[in-house]
Amino acid sequence: QVQLVESGGGVVQPGRSLRLSCAASGFAFSRYPIHWVRQAPGKGLEWVTVIANDGKDKHYADSVKGRFTISRDNSKNTLFLQMNSLRTEDTAVYYCARDLKIAAADYYFDSWGQGTLVTVSS
Amino acid sequence: EIVLTQSPATLSLSPGERATLSCRASQSVRSYLGWYQQKPGQAPRLLIYGASNRATGIPGRFSGSGSGTDFTLTISSLEPEDFAVYYCQQRSNWPQITFGQGTRLEIK
Repeated sequence: QVQLVESGGGVVQPGRSLRLSCAASGFAFSRYPIHWVRQAPGKGLEWVTVIANDGKDKHYADSVKGRFTISRDNSKNTLFLQMNSLRTEDTAVYYCARDLKIAAADYYFDSWGQGTLVTVSS
Repeated sequence: EIVLTQSPATLSLSPGERATLSCRASQSVRSYLGWYQQKPGQAPRLLIYGASNRATGIPGRFSGSGSGTDFTLTISSLEPEDFAVYYCQQRSNWPQITFGQGTRLEIK
């Protein structure tokens, strides 16, 4: 079955960096666009970024543009999120989520990981 | 940015009753709207995409309708496992994806 497992979360000071990973299994990882979606404690959902199945096309929410970088290694079925210049408002559970459609992103999220908590605090 | 407003914020119903959840967009999103269910401590689950298409494995008691700016998620007869938070999401002006603030469906 489809499985997405995030890791790399933790407590970090404002202005520092953190790198999240998402290990995928149970499906043809290299065929799907993959997203990061976050949820601040007790709040709603916020889409963060997407990467095309081949890694060539990437898009970001305005709130993270220029600070976060998404990447993937299809040979290892793994997705990454490099988060730089972290702010307190980046505190959230970060989910990786598979796009509903193969190849071209459809921007619906049909499989999700369990999430990893990032806390930005001094 | 397209703002999605969900109503009511909280809906109190009993098992077996019909639930009607609303999502209104600040501008037309055509039929590019999805619905998700989230239970405490769990990741969201896709229920509906394209306003009215049920995702794989979603029971028939869940249905979606609407287009343009007004959308509805209907649960025809509530089961105990349906009590959760529900979010709508638009993808009309990707990649600027937005979600509604959520409707909490609680047991009366």
